Amino acid sequence: KAGVTQTPRYLIKTRGQQVTLSCSPISGHRSVSWYQQTPGQGLQFLFEYFSETQRNKGNFPGRFSGRQFSNSRSEMNVSTLELGDSALYLCASSPLGDSPNEKLFFGSGTQLSVL
Amino acid sequence: DAKTTQPNSMESNEEEPVHLPCNHSTISGTDYIHWYRQLPSQGPEYVIHGLTSNVNNRMASLAIAEDRKSSTLILHRATLRDAAVYYCILRGRTDSWGKLQFGAGTQVVVTP
Repeated sequence: KAGVTQTPRYLIKTRGQQVTLSCSPISGHRSVSWYQQTPGQGLQFLFEYFSETQRNKGNFPGRFSGRQFSNSRSEMNVSTLELGDSALYLCASSPLGDSPNEKLFFGSGTQLSVL
Repeated sequence: DAKTTQPNSMESNEEEPVHLPCNHSTISGTDYIHWYRQLPSQGPEYVIHGLTSNVNNRMASLAIAEDRKSSTLILHRATLRDAAVYYCILRGRTDSWGKLQFGAGTQVVVTP
């Protein structure tokens, strides 16, 4: 089974631009979560999608948004980029996302640099 | 939310066992103990998880204290590929993935 795939792997943008990141979960997984990882803040939860609906949201400004498609693939968008948005963005999937006995499978991430 | 405490770093020689401690004194009865690790330039990777009993898999063993206030991840024979940041996290019965607190983890250094 293919793992979680994130594209692109690296991205360089300038302040004020917007960016869209893509995530393909493991086949059959319906829960997709997004995380931001920075050296200073560690891994922080952005949001979780299940069956095309946002189920949970972290404490990030409205510039960060996401969506999930009927095939469970997900995208996240960051508008009006700021220097502080430079980070590794990780996508993770799990079958249903509602059991503590489930495992979370992460992609390799998209490294975003904002200049 | 229950939190975990881990040492910042640990060193080991290659082919020797590594014991990574994790304290979770406020764990509730339904919290599962999960371990993930993150290799450089990669996303976190699932290692093992358990509730009350000790668990073994091909990657590691998880030893859970009888009172569940602490646990230990055991890498039986460290290899250079095991050099990573190891996260001990708790997930409760009703917690979403967003409730997980990864913290800073333990940086494991493996010396040839």
